[in-house]
Amino acid sequence: EDQVTQSPEALRLQEGESSSLNCSYTVSGLRGLFWYRQDPGKGPEFLFTLYSAGEEKEKERLKATLTKKESFLHITAPKPEDSATYLCAVRLNTGFQKLVFGTGTRLLVSP
Amino acid sequence: KAGVTQTPRYLIKTRGQQVTLSCSPISGHRSVSWYQQTPGQGLQFLFEYFSETQRNKGNFPGRFSGRQFSNSRSEMNVSTLELGDSALYLCASSFLSVEETQYFGPGTRLLVL
Repeated sequence: EDQVTQSPEALRLQEGESSSLNCSYTVSGLRGLFWYRQDPGKGPEFLFTLYSAGEEKEKERLKATLTKKESFLHITAPKPEDSATYLCAVRLNTGFQKLVFGTGTRLLVSP
Repeated sequence: KAGVTQTPRYLIKTRGQQVTLSCSPISGHRSVSWYQQTPGQGLQFLFEYFSETQRNKGNFPGRFSGRQFSNSRSEMNVSTLELGDSALYLCASSFLSVEETQYFGPGTRLLVL
């Protein structure tokens, strides 16, 4: 069964304290791994797409990396405005747009 | 460019009623997907429409249905509402049906009493 697991479920950081979020996946065929950010009461906001092992993408304080079995979202020197739930999703090799989501990591950054 | 819009934003219904939710994709996008988000199950895929055709469907009962119009706007309908249908319903659009990033709307919060 296709499965996406995110860890930790929740993470509390002090402002400036760097850390990483993990997304591990067991799928029959991968056609893209996506990272989204979701604020309370809002829809997910697209951050990155990764397609192949070894690929890396960066945006401000965020950097996403991909291996054959997992992806990491590295947060460097986070600020309180980075507090949100970070969702990982995979698109399967079915030719359709269905995304399989993990349950997310709730990040809280304290000043 | 305007983002994905969903109406209404909030809805309260009672068990047994039916509800219709609307989604307008980003201009030029032809694929619309629907997801249900609950605290227990997270985000789960409902269905995808492309060029007015349902291309894929998730593991939801037949009470959940949808359609897409020629202008790519989409509606989803839930009949005979149950308490467990209370959720945030999210619509996502992309330019094509494959190899494209999906952009999400703000969602419709449905509460079933």
